[in-house]
Formats: sequence, structure tokens, C-alpha cells
Amino acid sequence: GAVVSQHPSRVICKSGTSVKIECRSLDFQATTMFWYRQFPKQSLMLMATSNEGSKATYEQGVEKDKFLINHASLTLSTLTVTSAHPEDSSFYICSARAGEWTQYFGPGTRLLVL
Amino acid sequence: AQSVTQLDSQVPVFEEAPVELRCNYSSSVSVYLFWYVQYPNQGLQLLLKYLSGSTLVKGINGFEAEFNKSQTSFHLRKPSVHISDTAEYFCAVSDPPNSGYALNFGKGTSLLVTP
Repeated sequence: GAVVSQHPSRVICKSGTSVKIECRSLDFQATTMFWYRQFPKQSLMLMATSNEGSKATYEQGVEKDKFLINHASLTLSTLTVTSAHPEDSSFYICSARAGEWTQYFGPGTRLLVL
Repeated sequence: AQSVTQLDSQVPVFEEAPVELRCNYSSSVSVYLFWYVQYPNQGLQLLLKYLSGSTLVKGINGFEAEFNKSQTSFHLRKPSVHISDTAEYFCAVSDPPNSGYALNFGKGTSLLVTP
């Protein structure tokens, strides 16, 4: 099946720094990618919808200035956590839409902010 | 917005026993339902989906689910589980065009299969 990669798989950073997470569709083009956040023992919460060539659509309660999303090409979307704080520590998962009802998920990125 | 509730956070079961993982959705005119599996250190994989048509949906790895409109349920079943089925299972719902095909996930059910 189609593959979606995320990089890095794990990142530890100091409070106040910014972290960029990449999501790539390796063998297909995706005009739409989604970013989710997963807390321990919780469900995946949709953060934003990333559309190639246009601004991302953020879910209610998600700060767009804190979680910057760029979808510059049909195979790459990036999520930048700006001025990260310990409460931003979480598991971030992306998915890429390959068809109307087909999404492929990345393996996730675990962020720890100290 | 549509939502789903997974009633069991953990389900322990012996190998070769049947299993049912429960999922209920909030009522709506139209609903699209999914089950995903997440193995450790891997991305979510689609097990099966219900969009329309037959209420009994067959998926990969021997799993199936039944869409029950009157009970607003979409329970996942397997008649005989293997050790390798140990994983986290997520029920999800989508209600386009409101969501743009994004998914709302339940909290997940951890299936633990033991010998």
C-alpha cells in the first residue's frame, strides 16, 4: 500500500524553541493532508487540514500562529510548533488523502518539550 | 459534528477466541464509518469502512463490522483472534462536506490477545 513518512520520529527540544515535523507521501500525490494530535490513551484529535497551494484550515481551539502548516508540494506538508512549551508535548500524526475515502497515515512524531 | 464512542478502553482475550470491539456513533442523516488498527510504532491502517450498501462490511485480516442504524452502532468482530492482532483499534466517523473528509476518532480500544 501507499506509504506516508514522518520525520523526525522523535524529537526533544527546549522550551521556547521551534520544531518542524515533515510529512511526506512517498509514492502518490496528495492535495490534502491532515494533522492530528494524540495524547496518551486518547483519540486522535484533528488539528488542521492542509491543502496544497493554499492556507491550512484549523480546527476550533488550535492556534494557527503556534502550529504553522505549510503544504508547498503535492508530496510534502510540514508542521512547525513555534515557541514550544511542555504542554505541546504530544504525539503528532499526519495523514495524506489518496482518494475520496482513502487516507494513509504516517507513523507519527513524538515531541517532548523540556 | 459527528462523533464516535468506543465503550471499552481495553479488551483482553485468549488466542482463537472471538472478539467484539464496540463503537457507537452520534446520529446523523448520513454517516461514513471506519475502523483503523495501530500496531506499535506504526501508522494507522484501515481495516474496513462503511459508506453505503450492505450493512455487513468485511475487512482485512478476517475482521468484519456491522452497521446498525437503529442502534447507531458499528461494532468490529473477528471469530478467532491471533496473537498478532494485539494492537490499538480506532473507530472513526466522517461527515463530508462539513469535514472535508477528515476523520473524528474514538478514544481507541486496546486489544490484548494472550496464549
